[in-house]
Amino acid sequence: AQTVTQSQPEMSVQEAETVTLSCTYDTSENNYYLFWYKQPPSRQMILVIRQEAYKQQNATENRFSVNFQKAAKSFSLKISDSQLGDTAMYFCAFREPLGNEKLTFGTGTRLTIIP
Amino acid sequence: DAGITQSPRHKVTETGTPVTLRCHQTENHRYMYWYRQDPGHGLRLIHYSYGVKDTDKGEVSDGYSVSRSKTEDFLLTLESATSSQTSVYFCATYSGLWDAYTEAFFGQGTRLTVV
Repeated sequence: AQTVTQSQPEMSVQEAETVTLSCTYDTSENNYYLFWYKQPPSRQMILVIRQEAYKQQNATENRFSVNFQKAAKSFSLKISDSQLGDTAMYFCAFREPLGNEKLTFGTGTRLTIIP
Repeated sequence: DAGITQSPRHKVTETGTPVTLRCHQTENHRYMYWYRQDPGHGLRLIHYSYGVKDTDKGEVSDGYSVSRSKTEDFLLTLESATSSQTSVYFCATYSGLWDAYTEAFFGQGTRLTVV
């Protein structure tokens, strides 16, 4: 079974600084999909960024970018110029390839942005 | 926002009673998922559905059953609730289209307390 590991239960950073959240996963598949979701105190799950495994280029969405290392099975999230609104739980997720489509989550990282 | 509605949003029930949570979607998505969220465990998959009357177990399916008699509704039933099933439950949907950039959408969550 695929597993997703987030080894940082909690992190904090000063406002405007850069922070990196780590995620590793285990799979025998060659093509799959990776996601970072944000869960603010409202409990709503919000997609931050996504990456398809066969695409070499790292995904970027404004202040959010990923460092995707396929051989190492690593998918870290970098948040630049962090803002107070970035305070949330962040979940890394892995979706199995076509035909199965199970979506597996890591245990999450609670990120606090300090004013 | 994706049209995913969970009901009820909050419920308190007694040990040993049956409980049914409902997920309703207006997106015509093929895949539907039920997760539970607990501190330190992230989101864990209970059951998922890949079509009407087609369901499969996730990693924490014991004590839960599901049904999907039509595309828009996915029901999660706790046959005899236990205190260990106190949790926040999330429903998610995914279109299943052959497009890597189609993420899962989530409902607002249901907080269930078993006393």
